[in-house]
Amino acid sequence: DTAVSQTPKYLVTQMGNDKSIKCEQNLGHDTMYWYKQDSKKFLKIMFSYNNKELIINETVPNRFSPKSPDKAHLNLHINSLELGDSAVYFCASSQGGRQPQHFGDGTRLSIL
Amino acid sequence: GENVEQHPSTLSVQEGDSAVIKCTYSDSASNYFPWYKQELGKRPQLIIDIRSNVGEKKDQRIAVTLNKTAKHFSLHITETQPEDSAVYFCAASKGNQGGKLIFGQGTELSVKP
Repeated sequence: DTAVSQTPKYLVTQMGNDKSIKCEQNLGHDTMYWYKQDSKKFLKIMFSYNNKELIINETVPNRFSPKSPDKAHLNLHINSLELGDSAVYFCASSQGGRQPQHFGDGTRLSIL
Repeated sequence: GENVEQHPSTLSVQEGDSAVIKCTYSDSASNYFPWYKQELGKRPQLIIDIRSNVGEKKDQRIAVTLNKTAKHFSLHITETQPEDSAVYFCAASKGNQGGKLIFGQGTELSVKP
């Protein structure tokens, strides 16, 4: 069973469109994250939620809106997609903020 | 601001040799230091981590050392195997920031048979 699962795995879309990525974890963790990995492989945190409450928002454009309906789910909605949004987006989860983070398989977003 | 510098960016070794990757962090309040391995097209996977109250930790062929005074930590892989080939990331975190991990730039390790 996959511990942290993301859908879709691949997302190819046109500039200006709106898209969503979903994430679910079955580890019973209370904290979930979104990371962006750019073309140079650099990993940067975007958001962190603890028990459905936003904890970290790393100066991400407000076109990105995370939503956590419950502590096992964290979705990411992106409005008005731009070329620079092309990247791999990883969801992760942990129990509290000082415990190991487990990553999902990533969503590769390509903007045409 | 918070920063983690990682070196080298690429590392090539012969099978059986040792590999060492070094990281330096800027925030002295950092207290948790994980290392992740990412194979091509796959997710980052935690391979070892260390907390600031420990100077060294070992797990089979992998060890991590931490020097809090110098704000420096290193990953050591002994008896390397071709399946160790991947990109390795160090990271640093402070316990009071909701789990925010600051990653290094990554090291692409190639183990030649």
